[in-house]
Amino acid sequence: GENVGLHLPTLSVQEGDNSIINCAYSNSASDYFIWYKQESGKGPQFIIDIRSNMDKRQGQRVTVLLNKTVKHLSLQIAATQPGDSAVYFCAEIGAHSDKIIFGKGTRLHILP
Amino acid sequence: DSGVTQTPKHLITATGQRVTLRCSPRSGDLSVYWYQQSLDQGLQFLIQYYNGEERAKGNILERFSAQQFPDLHSELNLSSLELGDSALYFCASSARGPASGNTIYFGEGSWLTVV
Repeated sequence: GENVGLHLPTLSVQEGDNSIINCAYSNSASDYFIWYKQESGKGPQFIIDIRSNMDKRQGQRVTVLLNKTVKHLSLQIAATQPGDSAVYFCAEIGAHSDKIIFGKGTRLHILP
Repeated sequence: DSGVTQTPKHLITATGQRVTLRCSPRSGDLSVYWYQQSLDQGLQFLIQYYNGEERAKGNILERFSAQQFPDLHSELNLSSLELGDSALYFCASSARGPASGNTIYFGEGSWLTVV
């Protein structure tokens, strides 16, 4: 079975607050991780990625943190906006593998 | 627009039938991936092709098959369809493969409804 999972299926956040979406993975050999955003009726959209030789990577309003010790990945979204409402998936790729394993997803709901 | 094109966008067919979903990857991308997404499931990896050859296989049923043609477009064939095959089927592409650090771009998906 797939070994990438998310702690919370639904996350409600006040507009303007920061959001943190968590993900656990079980394959310690995974060396590449990606966060995707999927809006209703659309395909997954690449947000940010990180390699296992890093523990933090920042993009525009997003930060990915990787803790290899506990096999944990998180996505932080700063100043959450209504347009951030979507399902967020983490994905892992094992070393020397092209197979991307997705978690089940977390729905981010923005409260006005 | 990711640059990955999938057709048809919507398809309704009866049980027992066969359908073909088509995918055109982004210009220059050699890898094509197929994923299935059901209402109660996440994204399930089906299969990957790289430059015309099968590269990785996931949870793809024997009733399903795929191929990548010399022009790099890909087709996913679904046969003996069952109600449970109703899902959104995504195609994705990358220049090489994620192991090479290439970003993977997804199409908008093909909605299959089996009645």
